[in-house]
This record gives sequence, C-alpha cells and structure tokens, in this order.
Amino acid sequence: GENVEQHPSTLSVQEGDSAVIKCTYSDSASNYFPWYKQELGKRPQLIIDIRSNVGEKKDQRIAVTLNKTAKHFSLHITETQPEDSAVYFCAASIGGGADGLTFGKGTHLIIQP
Amino acid sequence: KAGVTQTPRYLIKTRGQQVTLSCSPISGHRSVSWYQQTPGQGLQFLFEYFSETQRNKGNFPGRFSGRQFSNSRSEMNVSTLELGDSALYLCASSRQGQAMNTEAFFGQGTRLTVV
Repeated sequence: GENVEQHPSTLSVQEGDSAVIKCTYSDSASNYFPWYKQELGKRPQLIIDIRSNVGEKKDQRIAVTLNKTAKHFSLHITETQPEDSAVYFCAASIGGGADGLTFGKGTHLIIQP
Repeated sequence: KAGVTQTPRYLIKTRGQQVTLSCSPISGHRSVSWYQQTPGQGLQFLFEYFSETQRNKGNFPGRFSGRQFSNSRSEMNVSTLELGDSALYLCASSRQGQAMNTEAFFGQGTRLTVV
C-alpha cells in the first residue's frame, strides 16, 4: 500500500524566516496531495492541496510543489509568524481510484520570536 | 453551514467492551472517511464510505467496522476493545471523496480511552 515519509519531525525557525517540510510517497497512482495544519487540541485543517496534473500551487505565504517523477512534494511557508506554530501533516490519496488518505507522521513547526 | 460533527467527544471504556462512534458530515457531502490518531503512529486510515458502500479499508483488524446511512451519517464500531485502541478517532467528510479530488474536512474527533 501507499507509504508517506515526512521530514523533519521537528522544525524550529526564527519568526520571519522560511520553513520547508518535505514528503515522499510510494504509490505512483496517488493523484491528490493535501497538507493539513493541526493546532494543539484541535482538528486537522486543510491549508493547501495539489493535484498530480499541477507542479506548483501558491496561496499567499504558503506554497506546495510536486515532483511526480521523484514522488516527492514539499510545503513552503514564507515570512513565518507565531500563529504558524503547529503540527503539519502531508498526505497522499490512496491510489488513483480508491479513497482515503495516507498521512505522513507530521512535522512540529516551532516559530521562535 | 454546520461542520463535521462527531459524538461523543470523550469516551472511557473497559477492555473487552465494544464502542460505537458517530459522525455527521457536512450537508451535501457523501463521502466519510475515518482515521485513528495516536502519538506514535500519527493519522492512520481506517475506512471510507460513499453512498452507504465501503469503498476502501485500511490495515486494521476486523474488530474495527463501520457503516453509512442513507443520510450520509456514518458510524464506526470497535469490538473487544484493547488498551492499544486508545486514540483520537477522527472522521472527515468530502463532497465526492478523494478519487474526485475534493477537500476533506475533519470533525473534532472522539477521544477514546480504554482502561
């Protein structure tokens, strides 16, 4: 089945700097790659997603890139702010025709003031 | 527009018992997926339902089961509870399911503690 690896597990950056989180997936049939942000005690919330027919997508300070050949995708957050502190999860759809998501183990992003 | 609603929010059960969790999706959403979240394993996919049919199942034992009703509400059941079943159980609803590449919205989860 699908396997999603996420790195790093913890990332500490200075406020205002950029943060990059990387994920790799194993199933070449995966075609949908969302990113979720989960604050302590809250539900995961979708922050951005990308489909396999797109290489890059940007939404204000957040961008995601996808390399289908290498089977990896990354989340980029620029001009980080204290409210960006949270756990971020990448995910990949389970196969091309099935449903459900396989998640990475998460990255705890810490924004240092 | 109401979000995804899960009940109950908290549960404490004894080993060997069974439990049923409920999920009401966003109005108009027909796909409901269930996930188990633990500190060690992260978010793991349990199963997904669409129009009352289970379309996909994760790698969990048969003690974990689910169903979906005609109004898209879904329930999951865990029988013969084990200590290791203690986790946050999250459901997510989407309009068509990931096969159609639509966003999934999560509920607040049910925190299950098995003692």
